[in-house]
Amino acid sequence: EPEVTQTPSHQVTQMGQEVILRCVPISNHLYFYWYRQILGQKVEFLVSFYNNEISEKSEIFDDQFSVERPDGSNFTLKIRSTKLEDSAMYFCASNPTGTNEKLFFGSGTQLSVL
Amino acid sequence: AQSVTQPDIHITVSEGASLELRCNYSYGATPYLFWYVQSPGQGLQLLLKYFSGDTLVQGIKGFEAEFKRSQSSFNLRKPSVHWSDAAEYFCAVTRGSTLGRLYFGRGTQLTVWP
Repeated sequence: EPEVTQTPSHQVTQMGQEVILRCVPISNHLYFYWYRQILGQKVEFLVSFYNNEISEKSEIFDDQFSVERPDGSNFTLKIRSTKLEDSAMYFCASNPTGTNEKLFFGSGTQLSVL
Repeated sequence: AQSVTQPDIHITVSEGASLELRCNYSYGATPYLFWYVQSPGQGLQLLLKYFSGDTLVQGIKGFEAEFKRSQSSFNLRKPSVHWSDAAEYFCAVTRGSTLGRLYFGRGTQLTVWP
């Protein structure tokens, strides 16, 4: 089965630094998502992206966050100035059509902000 | 507002025993319900989904789930657990016919004793 690939698997950064999390969605998919899970808490939706623009975002996705599909294959999440509370597992997902089939999730990037 | 409750944080069963993982949802309209599984180092994998029709749905790996509207529940079951089923299980809900944001429960960690 095709996979969503996320790199790196672990990232450690200092508070206040910018970080970019990278994802390669499945090649023919059109809808892309970021979710995150803070340790011990629920998996939370951050943002959905379609046709090179954000289609929906949660209240978590503030001005510190941005997403981009820079080259037609990668899908990135940038956190401009990381905070301690940004420490979490970040999951990328993609979907071929945007309808209720299923999301294909990557294995996640564990972000630790020190 | 949509929400999902998984009341059991951790469940331990013996191999060969039956399993039931509980999920309750709060949602104003007909929900679209999912169960995902995450094995260590892996992404979230869809086990099964319910959109409409038969309230007992079959999924992969021998899992099934039953939608009970009167109880706002979507419990996951397996008649005989295998050691490879040890993982974290997430229940999720979404709205409408377009896949928007998934609302996840906190997850249930399943340990299987040999």
